[in-house]
Amino acid sequence: SQQGEEDPQALSIQEGENATMNCSYKTSINNLQWYRQNSGRGLVHLILIRSNEREKHSGRLRVTLDTSKKSSSLLITASRAADTASYFCAIGNQGGKLIFGQGTELSVKP
Amino acid sequence: GAVVSQHPSRVICKSGTSVKIECRSLDFQATTMFWYRQFPKQSLMLMATSNEGSKATYEQGVEKDKFLINHASLTLSTLTVTSAHPEDSSFYICSARDSARETQYFGPGTRLLVL
Repeated sequence: SQQGEEDPQALSIQEGENATMNCSYKTSINNLQWYRQNSGRGLVHLILIRSNEREKHSGRLRVTLDTSKKSSSLLITASRAADTASYFCAIGNQGGKLIFGQGTELSVKP
Repeated sequence: GAVVSQHPSRVICKSGTSVKIECRSLDFQATTMFWYRQFPKQSLMLMATSNEGSKATYEQGVEKDKFLINHASLTLSTLTVTSAHPEDSSFYICSARDSARETQYFGPGTRLLVL
């Protein structure tokens, strides 16, 4: 299956701590994207990293991609209670199709 | 950022009825839109790829006669759940791909409850 696999499935941290989520996949990719979803809502695009890129930053977010290990990680630094949400990685192919991982449920306690 | 809307946001219907969900890209043209469904506490599962002016491409295991997709214009795709049953109850999310970029923009989702 091309589906990404994420770990941990759930993560609970205190405000101010860093949160790291990992995503592994099995096939070649065009890009890998990270999304956030608040409970019962639509998805918000966070970062897209292309297959020839190794690291990308956006505010408190840092994404790495290791194509040799077929894995990616999302780091949220100095977490806030408002970061509580589900985070999904999605593998993108050239046709634009996205295959989502199972997601990590992040809970940031104030 | 780009905006995608879905209508309705939630719908409750009786078993056996058909339900139409609209997905619109509001400020860009989308030759390709995607339909996903999501069960509680689970990930998004791609159902089909909707291409403007042509037939949709369905993922394995998705019944094309059950989930009718029409993409009649560059800003509108519709998903019709025909003869809905309780097991079709789910959260349906569409996305639209901005042809000029690699990013997909997601709609807010439609929660369907079939009684």
